[in-house]
Amino acid sequence: ETGVTQTPRHLVMGMTNKKSLKCEQHLGHNAMYWYKQSAKKPLELMFVYNFKEQTENNSVPSRFSPECPNSSHLFLHLHTLQPEDSALYLCASSQPRGLAGSYEQYFGPGTRLTVT
Amino acid sequence: GQNIDQPTEMTATEGAIVQINCTYQTSGFNGLFWYQQHAGEAPTFLSYNVLDGLEEKGRFSSFLSRSKGYSYLLLKELQMKDSASYLCAVSGYGQNFVFGPGTRLSVLP
Repeated sequence: ETGVTQTPRHLVMGMTNKKSLKCEQHLGHNAMYWYKQSAKKPLELMFVYNFKEQTENNSVPSRFSPECPNSSHLFLHLHTLQPEDSALYLCASSQPRGLAGSYEQYFGPGTRLTVT
Repeated sequence: GQNIDQPTEMTATEGAIVQINCTYQTSGFNGLFWYQQHAGEAPTFLSYNVLDGLEEKGRFSSFLSRSKGYSYLLLKELQMKDSASYLCAVSGYGQNFVFGPGTRLSVLP
């Protein structure tokens, strides 16, 4: 496997279900990200992990819970979601550029989530 | 606040040149990125600017003016496969990224 992989690629879940999205990067990067991409809206940054530590949480509802056990793996735990949470969830990784920003991000193929 | 603006849609002819503009207002600036996203696929990196001026990479060039909060992506010798959305993104403090709404480019024969 190379690059950034995500599983599952498609997920349909009810509002009372609990599920998890998984992301793995094989690029040796130290920063990982979760994004939400909805139709007709800009890509929204949800969470950032830098060297396994969460550094950004952009006012994401608590029904989304991230986990980063190491620099190569990132999870997004989902519970009691709403229909408006249906979207494409993208994972990305990058190498931090010292204290000043980051090199380019590499994106996984995404998980298409439908909440019924 | 943080805001990035791009035109929603553009159309151009195969073989032509097209310029996609991006204006931004963000708290903190550590560089501006352009990504290409084909329908149903993940974004892929095209270019990066952190200093004022033009960066050229094959058929693609990107320009930045930090004082004006302005960038553009220039695509030359357009091909049908260049039909895609082009995303402008600003890296703020740390690893915080803000993306623009994207410009959907259609290349016509």
